[in-house]
Amino acid sequence: NAGVTQTPKFRVLKTGQSMTLLCAQDMNHEYMYWYRQDPGMGLRLIHYSVGEGTTAKGEVPDGYNVSRLKKQNFLLGLESAAPSQTSVYFCASSQEYQETQYFGPGTRLLVL
Amino acid sequence: AQSVTQPDIHITVSEGASLELRCNYSYGATPYLFWYVQSPGQGLQLLLKYFSGDTLVQGIKGFEAEFKRSQSSFNLRKPSVHWSDAAEYFCAVGAWSSGSARQLTFGSGTQLTVLP
Repeated sequence: NAGVTQTPKFRVLKTGQSMTLLCAQDMNHEYMYWYRQDPGMGLRLIHYSVGEGTTAKGEVPDGYNVSRLKKQNFLLGLESAAPSQTSVYFCASSQEYQETQYFGPGTRLLVL
Repeated sequence: AQSVTQPDIHITVSEGASLELRCNYSYGATPYLFWYVQSPGQGLQLLLKYFSGDTLVQGIKGFEAEFKRSQSSFNLRKPSVHWSDAAEYFCAVGAWSSGSARQLTFGSGTQLTVLP
């Protein structure tokens, strides 16, 4: 039981490049979330999903897209990366109607 | 909208000393409150949570937190700090959103340094 895993662990992009971050969970959780963590700002919610095929915007969705084609996977895409998207990205999941979220180890992204 | 304030950006304590990390929240209804810990280069681990009932909540690693509705606070405490407790600590409040997903709002974190 791996819990929540994230791929890749670290990535460097040039401005304008695109990439996809993958989050996978093996706990059969219904809800999944993407956060970004910046110094002095805690974690901020980018997008979330309440089930396969559904997505919704969080606090800071601009510049990101997401997809939940399979229940266990939640993808975060950057179509045209900007230096302001340099951050650490965390994925989390939770059971339906449950408050406790379980976090992955994070992906560190540097946009030059 | 809900919000969380952690007034202390950085706290330094000696090993064996007691610890209290402050957390104040703003939320219109009964809050769901959490404390998470993040070790360097790691993800977040849940320390404890409060949903209802007893206002003193016990967590893992010897931590506890007390919910005080009158003060809108949920402070984290530990009677005797160990060197391995050095990490960043985040307080969070959970709220309903559309589709019944719980959205967590995090504070900006408190970095804990433990001196030998």
